[in-house]
Amino acid sequence: KAGVTQTPRYLIKTRGQQVTLSCSPISGHRSVSWYQQTPGQGLQFLFEYFSETQRNKGNFPGRFSGRQFSNSRSEMNVSTLELGDSALYLCATRDSPNEKLFFGSGTQLSVL
Amino acid sequence: DAKTTQPNSMESNEEEPVHLPCNHSTISGTDYIHWYRQLPSQGPEYVIHGLTSNVNNRMASLAIAEDRKSSTLILHRATLRDAAVYYCILVPTDKLIFGTGTRLQVFP
Repeated sequence: KAGVTQTPRYLIKTRGQQVTLSCSPISGHRSVSWYQQTPGQGLQFLFEYFSETQRNKGNFPGRFSGRQFSNSRSEMNVSTLELGDSALYLCATRDSPNEKLFFGSGTQLSVL
Repeated sequence: DAKTTQPNSMESNEEEPVHLPCNHSTISGTDYIHWYRQLPSQGPEYVIHGLTSNVNNRMASLAIAEDRKSSTLILHRATLRDAAVYYCILVPTDKLIFGTGTRLQVFP
């Protein structure tokens, strides 16, 4: 089975722009969760989608949004980018809420 | 939100056992305890998980306290490749809270 695929791997944007990141899960996995990782902050939960429905949401402003498609692929969008949004964005997938998470390699976003 | 507490860092010498602790005093009866580790420049990878009983796999062992309020990840013989940040999380919870984890340094 192919692993979790995140695209793009690297991204450079300027303040005020918006960005869309993509996550393709392992075949058969219906849950996709997103995380922001910055130095010293660890992994912070953004949201989780399961079968196209947002199941849970972390404590992030409304500029951070996501969606999941019928093939379980997920996108997250960040609007009106700020310098503080520079981070590694990771997604993880699993086939049910109780099962182990499989992570992608992440998208490194730099906001200038 | 269910939360876990881990030491910021730990050190070990190669070939020695390592015990990584995790406190989760607010664990609910249906929460599984999961451990993941993150090597430099990679996404986290699954290590082990359990509910009530101790668990073993090829990577590590997980010892769970009888009251389930704490657990310990055991690496039986640390290698240089085990140097990573180790995260303990509770699953399922409303939010998957990873925290900052424990940075394990392994010395030759």
